[in-house]
Amino acid sequence: DTGVSQDPRHKITKRGQNVTFRCDPISEHNRLYWYRQTLGQGPEFLTYFQNEAQLEKSRLLSDRFSAERPKGSFSTLEIQRTEQGDSAMYLCASSLAGIGGYTFGSGTRLTVV
Amino acid sequence: DQQVKQNSPSLSVQEGRISILNCDYTNSMFDYFLWYKKYPAEGPTFLISISSIKDKNEDGRFTVFLNKSAKHLSLHIVPSQPGDSAVYFCAASAKETSGSRLTFGEGTQLTVNP
Repeated sequence: DTGVSQDPRHKITKRGQNVTFRCDPISEHNRLYWYRQTLGQGPEFLTYFQNEAQLEKSRLLSDRFSAERPKGSFSTLEIQRTEQGDSAMYLCASSLAGIGGYTFGSGTRLTVV
Repeated sequence: DQQVKQNSPSLSVQEGRISILNCDYTNSMFDYFLWYKKYPAEGPTFLISISSIKDKNEDGRFTVFLNKSAKHLSLHIVPSQPGDSAVYFCAASAKETSGSRLTFGEGTQLTVNP
């Protein structure tokens, strides 16, 4: 088991472009989470999946953001028409259903220029 | 509305001494609390947790204390080691109402000096 993998590690994009990030969770984990972290702040919840079902979305997840987990395994997070305010670290985590401490990936750092 | 607050952005201690990191919360629905450690360029790593039915949980050098009436928790690290230098995040969950969504504090940078 190699833990939670996120790709890419870094992404620089021009304002207005679309970007997509991928997360591969720990294989036996059925829950997958997306968080966003900006400088000097803790991670902020965006959304989570149990298997392929998206069970909760934060108000932070505007209509420019969409997340999928089509087969209950890997997940993608797409941001359309990126804005400079989208610049952040995007963290993915996975767990077995219920609390117990997620396992986080190393994150994708997005810079919108 | 910052529901979980870590009022100390940084803490510096000497190797071998105790480190005490503090966290306050406002949401009385929170019933499960966790501490994470984060090194630069890595994701947060789970350290220790505590349920609201307990007031203390210990794991090796790490102990978490929960004071529900004060809505306060703390993480004690003893003895502190230079490898403990990292950002520590407090997190909370209202398991019944929001599944396992976590609300994080802003973090405290701990520096342990040799």
